[in-house]
Amino acid sequence: DQQVKQNSPSLSVQEGRISILNCDYTNSMFDYFLWYKKYPAEGPTFLISISSIKDKNEDGRFTVFLNKSAKHLSLHIVPSQPGDSAVYFCAATGSGGSNYKLTFGKGTLLTVNP
Amino acid sequence: GAVVSQHPSWVICKSGTSVKIECRSLDFQATTMFWYRQFPKQSLMLMATSNEGSKATYEQGVEKDKFLINHASLTLSTLTVTSAHPEDSSFYICSATSSGLDPDTQYFGPGTRLTVL
Repeated sequence: DQQVKQNSPSLSVQEGRISILNCDYTNSMFDYFLWYKKYPAEGPTFLISISSIKDKNEDGRFTVFLNKSAKHLSLHIVPSQPGDSAVYFCAATGSGGSNYKLTFGKGTLLTVNP
Repeated sequence: GAVVSQHPSWVICKSGTSVKIECRSLDFQATTMFWYRQFPKQSLMLMATSNEGSKATYEQGVEKDKFLINHASLTLSTLTVTSAHPEDSSFYICSATSSGLDPDTQYFGPGTRLTVL
């Protein structure tokens, strides 16, 4: 049973436009969500996170929105740059859970075209 | 801050041999370290969780006798793939958290590509 779902395996956008990456979750115990960016043959890099007590968190070009009632979150990248091309993983965890284990989605490959 | 390193970055070995991968937190003390593997175009799969000085907790389906994890200090964890076989070929990634940092955020190493011939 996949508790964190990224239903779009890939997304292609033009440089300068907005990239919107979506993530859905099923486990209502999740209360902390993270986005990671990953290049091939490298480890994931932490991008941005959001706690369930918030519905928005912004850091530069990256904004994460959380809709708890819909169990949905999204990552917005504005403006998109070619260097943003990578696989983006959504991850979730529940506070107080065993050693803060993260549950990952399968990732979305973002391609930003010049 | 929050830098995690792995060594080696790439290793090729013969079937039946053992391979050790090191994971180090360079600028913080890692309360907990995690080991993942990733197959091509797949998500990260958690293998085990380890706390310094105690035995690792393995995820269901992961053979603890095959994937030996040692977390001897607050900055070092090792994963040893024993009697490696071609199906063990994968990308192994470690991560670490710290009570001194945000404990919900894991910081990842660069990964180790293992190829078993």
